[in-house]
Amino acid sequence: AQTVTQSQPEMSVQEAETVTLSCTYDTSENNYYLFWYKQPPSRQMILVIRQEAYKQQNATENRFSVNFQKAAKSFSLKISDSQLGDTAMYFCAFMNPRYNQGGKLIFGQGTELSVKP
Amino acid sequence: DVKVTQSSRYLVKRTGEKVFLECVQDMDHENMFWYRQDPGLGLRLIYFSYDVKMKEKGDIPEGYSVSREKKERFSLILESASTNQTSMYLCASSSTRGAFSYNEQFFGPGTRLTVL
Repeated sequence: AQTVTQSQPEMSVQEAETVTLSCTYDTSENNYYLFWYKQPPSRQMILVIRQEAYKQQNATENRFSVNFQKAAKSFSLKISDSQLGDTAMYFCAFMNPRYNQGGKLIFGQGTELSVKP
Repeated sequence: DVKVTQSSRYLVKRTGEKVFLECVQDMDHENMFWYRQDPGLGLRLIYFSYDVKMKEKGDIPEGYSVSREKKERFSLILESASTNQTSMYLCASSSTRGAFSYNEQFFGPGTRLTVL
């Protein structure tokens, strides 16, 4: 069974600085996807970034980037130039896509990030 | 834009009541999901459906049932609510685009259920 672990329940960062959120996972699959979701106080889950396991290049979306280490089964999220609007709960998630099952998501425990002015 | 809506943002029920949580999506998605979110546990899958009238158990189906009579609507039912079902419930939907393809899940705003 696949598992996802986020070992940092809470983190804080000063505005404009860089912060890295950690995530490890366990799977015997070779083809899968990894995601970081953001859940602000409004509770609306928003996809931040995704990574396909077969791609060696790390995904980047503006100020958000990942460090994907497939052999180590590690998938960390780096937020550069942190902004107050980045304050949220961040979830790491794993998907093993299967036809007709829509790709079930397995989530980590979450990391609550506070960006301080 | 994909829109997933849930019938209530907050809900308070009594132990033993039958509770219905409704979810509607407007993007003709085949797949719909119900998750439960608890502090320190993240989101856990309760049930999902990949077609009308089709359903499959997720990781924590005990105490819940679901109904999908129309493609756009997926209901979560608590037959006899208990205090340990106090939680945040999130609905999601996604499209099916063939074998081993990526299907982003889009989430609703969540329903915070309190069972007294």
